[in-house]
Amino acid sequence: DTAVSQTPKYLVTQMGNDKSIKCEQNLGHDTMYWYKQDSKKFLKIMFSYNNKELIINETVPNRFSPKSPDKAHLNLHINSLELGDSAVYFCASSQAAASAAYEQYFGPGTRLTVT
Amino acid sequence: LAKTTQPISMDSYEGQEVNITCSHNNIATNDYITWYQQFPSQGPRFIIQGYKTKVTNEVASLFIPADRKSSTLSLPRVSLSDTAVYYCLVGDSGNTGKLIFGQGTTLQVKP
Repeated sequence: DTAVSQTPKYLVTQMGNDKSIKCEQNLGHDTMYWYKQDSKKFLKIMFSYNNKELIINETVPNRFSPKSPDKAHLNLHINSLELGDSAVYFCASSQAAASAAYEQYFGPGTRLTVT
Repeated sequence: LAKTTQPISMDSYEGQEVNITCSHNNIATNDYITWYQQFPSQGPRFIIQGYKTKVTNEVASLFIPADRKSSTLSLPRVSLSDTAVYYCLVGDSGNTGKLIFGQGTTLQVKP
């Protein structure tokens, strides 16, 4: 059973398009995250939700909009895609609110390529 | 904001002990320090965490000095399968709830 799943695994699109990445966790966790990993392997948190409420919103362009329909799902919608958005996006979940103490379970990642 | 520093890369040989240090200033006083491992084309996965002193589990040890301004991940007798990127994760000071990953250390284990 996959604990944290993401779709799609690969996404190739053109500049200016709008795309969404979906994430689901079946661990019963309260907190979910979106991370961006660039070509240098830097992992940066973008958003964190706890029980469908936004608790961390890092400085990301407002073209990125997370949506959490329930605590098992956290989707990421990106408007007007730009070349610099090309990266691997990871979804993760943890038992409780954002803290390094709670083990995070990561999805397999979505490799987004903007041409 | 908390700031983390890790070596970008390290090389080792099978059977050796590897120590990777992460320097971290301005971390949350009440939060743990956690380390993750990432293989190519996979998401990071939890290895070990600690608050202070030494923690050991079946795969690694973690050393944290009293001032908590650094932490050292120790991998005993590495094998080729330990080739991966290793990240430290800390909470930001001021209890903002922000989490900060280190830049990652690429460990290459050679036969």
